Amino acid sequence: QQQVKQSPQSLIVQKGGISIINCAYENTAFDYFPWYQQFPGKGPALLIAIRPDVSEKKEGRFTISFNKSAKQFSLHIMDSQPGDSATYFCAASNGDSSYKLIFGSGTRLLVRP
Amino acid sequence: DAGVTQSPTHLIKTRGQQVTLRCSPISGHKSVSWYQQVLGQGPQFIFQYYEKEERGRGNFPDRFSARQFPNYSSELNVNALLLGDSALYLCASSLGWREQPQHFGDGTRLSIL
Repeated sequence: QQQVKQSPQSLIVQKGGISIINCAYENTAFDYFPWYQQFPGKGPALLIAIRPDVSEKKEGRFTISFNKSAKQFSLHIMDSQPGDSATYFCAASNGDSSYKLIFGSGTRLLVRP
Repeated sequence: DAGVTQSPTHLIKTRGQQVTLRCSPISGHKSVSWYQQVLGQGPQFIFQYYEKEERGRGNFPDRFSARQFPNYSSELNVNALLLGDSALYLCASSLGWREQPQHFGDGTRLSIL
């Protein structure tokens, strides 16, 4: 119940294309859903986050879509650039114990020039 | 402003040894969490500290311990190191105990020989 399942494991997109990464969860008590971007040798950097009271949040080229009934959320990267090539992690936390982030297994994104 | 800083950057130890990792949170942040990231996986929660008290603990053995100092910096200690402890150890800070987001440092890469 504490798992967050992320797909795909890896993704190759052409420059200018849309990258889509999906996550699914079981625990309906989760109330905070961030996405982190991690480059090799670096720590995860917060990209964008959403709470279940909204279905979509957009920041620049990054959009989170949230489907509460399906218990799924996804990250869309519009106009993908080679500099977006990194590993992306979705995560979730429970309001009763919101100190703890439960991470997905990660998606390695490669954007080809 | 400085982000979360961790030291050392890299560390090589042998089985059975003990190690201490250090973390300084973002200025103004009072909560520090530790995560372990094994190569190719998402980070896993180890501890959270707030106001020098442990507020949460993940599924890790008692060989793992931590503490937080009055200036909100933190140390993670691991005793009797095993080969399986080889990982990137990440520190994250947030404003308060149950507050998001958490901002990560670049981690300490620990290798056990």
